Amino acid sequence: DAKTTQPNSMESNEEEPVHLPCNHSTISGTDYIHWYRQLPSQGPEYVIHGLTSNVNNRMASLAIAEDRKSSTLILHRATLRDAAVYYCILRDQAAGNKLTFGGGTRVLVKP
Amino acid sequence: DTGVSQNPRHKITKRGQNVTFRCDPISEHNRLYWYRQTLGQGPEFLTYFQNEAQLEKSRLLSDRFSAERPKGSFSTLEIQRTEQGDSAMYLCASSLEGISGNTIYFGEGSWLTVV
Repeated sequence: DAKTTQPNSMESNEEEPVHLPCNHSTISGTDYIHWYRQLPSQGPEYVIHGLTSNVNNRMASLAIAEDRKSSTLILHRATLRDAAVYYCILRDQAAGNKLTFGGGTRVLVKP
Repeated sequence: DTGVSQNPRHKITKRGQNVTFRCDPISEHNRLYWYRQTLGQGPEFLTYFQNEAQLEKSRLLSDRFSAERPKGSFSTLEIQRTEQGDSAMYLCASSLEGISGNTIYFGEGSWLTVV
């Protein structure tokens, strides 16, 4: 499975944007970029995914580099409820389509 | 719309005992996954089913672990002769395979403590 690299942790102030980087230099053409987050004592929660184009939904935006070797998850206005571990995952539809989690980025939101 | 349901949510057992976890996926989801997560780590893949067929098993799934999905709906994960190293959260997830952008949805997890 293709691997991703994320910072271990990031801090943000409440109501400010958060930009979470992810490097995936070995991404293949069939890999989708997925983001999940996990709040304490809960199961992972889907955030957003994309293939080549930037994507927006009610939770976040996903900016994908033109060469697809990196991406950035953008939380437009962080709230205390956004404090979680955020996982960037490459999902290969040619390999069972399962999710392979790395260590993720722990986001701390300060009031 | 009910999500993925897992039972029990918490289980404390003595070393050597057998435990079984149940997962009810989202209705009509044909794919079901099991993951294990220990403190401070990301979830690790254990196995997945397409309907009732178990299509892949991780090396983490030792002989003491067995998963079933007999009718292609709910699934069970049994751990025999539990060891302290089995203490973890066991996560179930489901998806509707065969459509583009099929999202995988996770349950709340079942916490296992082996004492």
